[in-house]
Amino acid sequence: TQLLEQSPQFLSIQEGENLTVYCNSSSVFSSLQWYRQEPGEGPVLLVTVVTGGEVKKLKRLTFQFGDARKDSSLHITAAQPGDTGLYLCAAASGGSYIPTFGRGTSLIVHP
Amino acid sequence: KAGVTQTPRYLIKTRGQQVTLSCSPISGHRSVSWYQQTPGQGLQFLFEYFSETQRNKGNFPGRFSGRQFSNSRSEMNVSTLELGDSALYLCASSFSQGVFYEQYFGPGTRLTVT
Repeated sequence: TQLLEQSPQFLSIQEGENLTVYCNSSSVFSSLQWYRQEPGEGPVLLVTVVTGGEVKKLKRLTFQFGDARKDSSLHITAAQPGDTGLYLCAAASGGSYIPTFGRGTSLIVHP
Repeated sequence: KAGVTQTPRYLIKTRGQQVTLSCSPISGHRSVSWYQQTPGQGLQFLFEYFSETQRNKGNFPGRFSGRQFSNSRSEMNVSTLELGDSALYLCASSFSQGVFYEQYFGPGTRLTVT
């Protein structure tokens, strides 16, 4: 079973700051997803990346899949309090489509 | 289109009891997966059902079981509850499998075992 390491584990920043969170593994993935989970709710899918080197943008969020498809990053520009939540990466590899989840980065954006 | 719904949202049980959780997927979705989320272990896959058949199973003891009905609704059951079963149980539905395995999660059932 592949292991997904997310860093940092916790992040507390002020509104307007930029931040990057990471998702790393020693395994090669066929696809990788990022989710955001708010307190008391289930995770919500933000993006799926499948091609090495792929970059996707979702408003102020930029997602990058590593060239070797072993790692990914999520960059948030000008963070807002509404960005607060637990950011989870999930990936599938080999012939399995069941994703393995990282433990997440807990982000708090203070107004 | 309505999202994934889970009932009940909160549940308190005593050690040794059993519990049944329910999940209604998004209309048209035939795949339903169950996950356990705890602060220590994160999100862990329990099992997946498709067309009333269990297709995949995670590494959990036999006390955890599930089923899916012909209308795609799913239930999971935990027997002989242990304190360590306290967790958020999440259900996710998907239209299909494959590389783009995009799951839509429900709000979860918060189970507390005392």
